[in-house]
Amino acid sequence: IVLTQSPATLSLSPGERATLSCRASQSVSIFLAWYQQKVGQAPRLLIYDASNRATGIPARFSGSGSGTDFTLTISSLEPEDFAVYYCQQRSNWPLTFGGGTKVEIK
Amino acid sequence: EVQLLESGGDFVQPGGSLRLSCVASGFTFSSYAMTWVRQAPGKGLEWVSIISGSGGSTYYADSVKGRFTISRDNSKNTLFLQMNSLRGEDTAVYFCAKDFLGSSHTFDIWGQGTMVTVSS
Repeated sequence: IVLTQSPATLSLSPGERATLSCRASQSVSIFLAWYQQKVGQAPRLLIYDASNRATGIPARFSGSGSGTDFTLTISSLEPEDFAVYYCQQRSNWPLTFGGGTKVEIK
Repeated sequence: EVQLLESGGDFVQPGGSLRLSCVASGFTFSSYAMTWVRQAPGKGLEWVSIISGSGGSTYYADSVKGRFTISRDNSKNTLFLQMNSLRGEDTAVYFCAKDFLGSSHTFDIWGQGTMVTVSS
């Protein structure tokens, strides 16, 4: 299953709303996760099963969608949120990641 | 504290072999599937392989099938990745990660990564 993330880069200012998209080449039901990765660090799990926040993840992060279309929303960007975000499906083997969306400071 | 610590990354020639290790602490290792994910320089994440908590089930990405072998020693809380017939395209940081709920195939704890460079 191919996961296509868009846009590749999102240029926003702190306090703005970020909307990231992940589209699957076939249905993955709700079996999609979102990760955040900062430069030089390991990925961090944000959202699992499309809409569930992982432990310790702030409420400004939310996920939605099912089937083939998914969205990660950051309601109001904090300085620490500028990073690369990846989606990952667990519906079918092999597990796959999207190509990533970089959220950069405008 | 839940922690994963990878080691074994190195510079190796094409066709060579390398064995990566990932030592886990702070959780019941045998209760969780474990995975390897890699990231080529400047690129995105690529899933490599996964092994069940018991070690009885394994899966691989097509790009490494037949060349890489994942295994685990639950008595030593250690995950391994044996990499043979290495190619330039295997150059990457290799992360080990813990399954979120046991066998959910979502990963909540990651190591810091170990670098593998394949070049002549």
